[in-house]
Amino acid sequence: NAGVMQNPRHLVRRRGQEARLRCSPMKGHSHVYWYRQLPEEGLKFMVYLQKENIIDESGMPKERFSAEFPKEGPSILRIQQVVRGDSAAYFCASSPVRQRGTYNEQFFGPGTRLTVL
Amino acid sequence: KQEVTQIPAALSVPEGENLVLNCSFTDSAIYNLQWFRQDPGKGLTSLLLIQSSQREQTSGRLNASLDKSSGRSTLYIAASQPGDSATYLCAVRGGSEKLVFGKGTKLTVNP
Repeated sequence: NAGVMQNPRHLVRRRGQEARLRCSPMKGHSHVYWYRQLPEEGLKFMVYLQKENIIDESGMPKERFSAEFPKEGPSILRIQQVVRGDSAAYFCASSPVRQRGTYNEQFFGPGTRLTVL
Repeated sequence: KQEVTQIPAALSVPEGENLVLNCSFTDSAIYNLQWFRQDPGKGLTSLLLIQSSQREQTSGRLNASLDKSSGRSTLYIAASQPGDSATYLCAVRGGSEKLVFGKGTKLTVNP
């Protein structure tokens, strides 16, 4: 059973370009979470998605950032008009459908390291 | 707003030593707490998950404890090895699906 897959592992963009990060959850998982780790900082929650729905985007910057998890295919985190401050490691996690009364473990991917020149 | 603090930020020990990493959180209304390991340039590996109703979890040389009322968790590593060198992250889940992370403790085990 393959783990959470993220690609690309490393992404270099110039200021003003778009960055598109992909995440394929573990087989059987329908919940996806995106986190960002800035240099020397802890991981910060960005967004939580289920298939075709954004459930919680309270950690997502209001401008330039968007996320989707279509019915088919991977989850995509899109950053438009990137700036140097977007340079960070972006991690995706997935979990299975939550049973009532429990909170499932989140399984993390290897991350995408975005560098903005 | 939940805040998670990990002390110390860095720790260096000789091989074979037993050690304790600390994690504290400000809001005791949590559902679970996870300890992760992160190697340089790599993703996160889940080590232990403690549900709010539990006091501790063990896996091999690792033992994690949880005291919800005081907002504290510890990760105990027995007989440390150079391969244990990594950053250890603590994360709590409150009333939402998101995890709130501490900044981590960077552990170096010297041969």
